[in-house]
Amino acid sequence: GQNIDQPTEMTATEGAIVQINCTYQTSGFNGLFWYQQHAGEAPTFLSYNVLDGLEEKGRFSSFLSRSKGYSYLLLKELQMKDSASYLCAVKDSNYQLIWGAGTKLIIKP
Amino acid sequence: SAVISQKPSRDICQRGTSLTIQCQVDSQVTMMFWYRQQPGQSLTLIATANQGSEATYESGFVIDKFPISRPNLTFSTLTVSNMSPEDSSIYLCSAGGGHSSSGANVLTFGAGSRLTVL
Repeated sequence: GQNIDQPTEMTATEGAIVQINCTYQTSGFNGLFWYQQHAGEAPTFLSYNVLDGLEEKGRFSSFLSRSKGYSYLLLKELQMKDSASYLCAVKDSNYQLIWGAGTKLIIKP
Repeated sequence: SAVISQKPSRDICQRGTSLTIQCQVDSQVTMMFWYRQQPGQSLTLIATANQGSEATYESGFVIDKFPISRPNLTFSTLTVSNMSPEDSSIYLCSAGGGHSSSGANVLTFGAGSRLTVL
């Protein structure tokens, strides 16, 4: 079956750096997405990786290794507003999105 | 990217009743989808809402339980029929067709409808 694994919850300190990992086993691969979802709000698009390597966008970066079925989202200079759930999703060979359960990130002062 | 308005944002419903959730997009979109999100779990695709034809349902979801309408390219509804407590969840509308700077097809989501069935 298809599977996306990410930690359920992580805690980090304001101003620090945190890395949220995502591993996947899917039938084919056509890109990996990271979305941010604040409590009670819509998920919003953060990043997209389809080739191996690091994509940097301001304080957020996303890394992909297709051979390892692995991605991470790196958040730098953490702010309180970064407290949210972070969802990893992979587009499979049929271009269907397979979603992870999300990682709840708690930022402490 | 598109802006999606979804209502109701939350509701408390009685067992056996039905509720219709509305999703309005501020621009015409080709693809609209309905998801369910239960606490601590993945987003689960219920169906793809097709304009002018019947929705395409995922395994485990049927039209009698979750009828969907898509009368035009900016609007869709999802009805949760004959509700039971197991239907308590967040239901999310989404639209495809937006693109990231790298060309990825990005989904835009509504804020969700939190249903509690007693």
